Amino acid sequence: DSGVTQTPKHLITATGQRVTLRCSPRSGDLSVYWYQQSLDQGLQFLIQYYNGEERAKGNILERFSAQQFPDLHSELNLSSLELGDSALYFCASSFDRGGGEKLFFGSGTQLSVL
Amino acid sequence: GENVEQHPSTLSVQEGDSAVIKCTYSDSASNYFPWYKQELGKGPQLIIDIRSNVGEKKDQRIAVTLNKTAKHFSLHITETQPEDSAVYFCAASMSDMRFGAGTRLTVKP
Repeated sequence: DSGVTQTPKHLITATGQRVTLRCSPRSGDLSVYWYQQSLDQGLQFLIQYYNGEERAKGNILERFSAQQFPDLHSELNLSSLELGDSALYFCASSFDRGGGEKLFFGSGTQLSVL
Repeated sequence: GENVEQHPSTLSVQEGDSAVIKCTYSDSASNYFPWYKQELGKGPQLIIDIRSNVGEKKDQRIAVTLNKTAKHFSLHITETQPEDSAVYFCAASMSDMRFGAGTRLTVKP
């Protein structure tokens, strides 16, 4: 168990809808990262937050947004969903800002857009 | 930004043989190179990492080598076992962490 908690584990929704994925980092970790993993694909970096502030941005679509709350949990919001958004979404956490730090991953949220 | 390429995409070995997975990176400023193992239905788990001031690191049957000049690093697994079967990801990090596309390793009993 990595200590990173993601909910829900599975999410099934329809095109055009909006969903929210939640992540609680390991106790004491200040950074949260979001990654997207499509079928048989690698891990695509979406966005990183450190202590409530956006730290780095990757290939995140404008339809997607995230935030990190004062209690350090994070939410990834996906809107106007398309079939191609179906993927496994991982959250990871680390203690510091990143750059040379070990990341600890949650078990992921499997999103299916029908 | 950083670009990480990983080869091969699939690798099949007999139990007891060695397996080698190779990665190259583009940003010479990257200074941290972890390897993750992802089993079916689970999140990636760190198995070994190396920093840019070290050329090689070993942990039991797993070793990682880094060539900073050539900007490539490799994962070596010796005496492979069926439980080593998984998808392995390399990554390179300077600020954020970028992953390779993954290698699906199958160890045949």
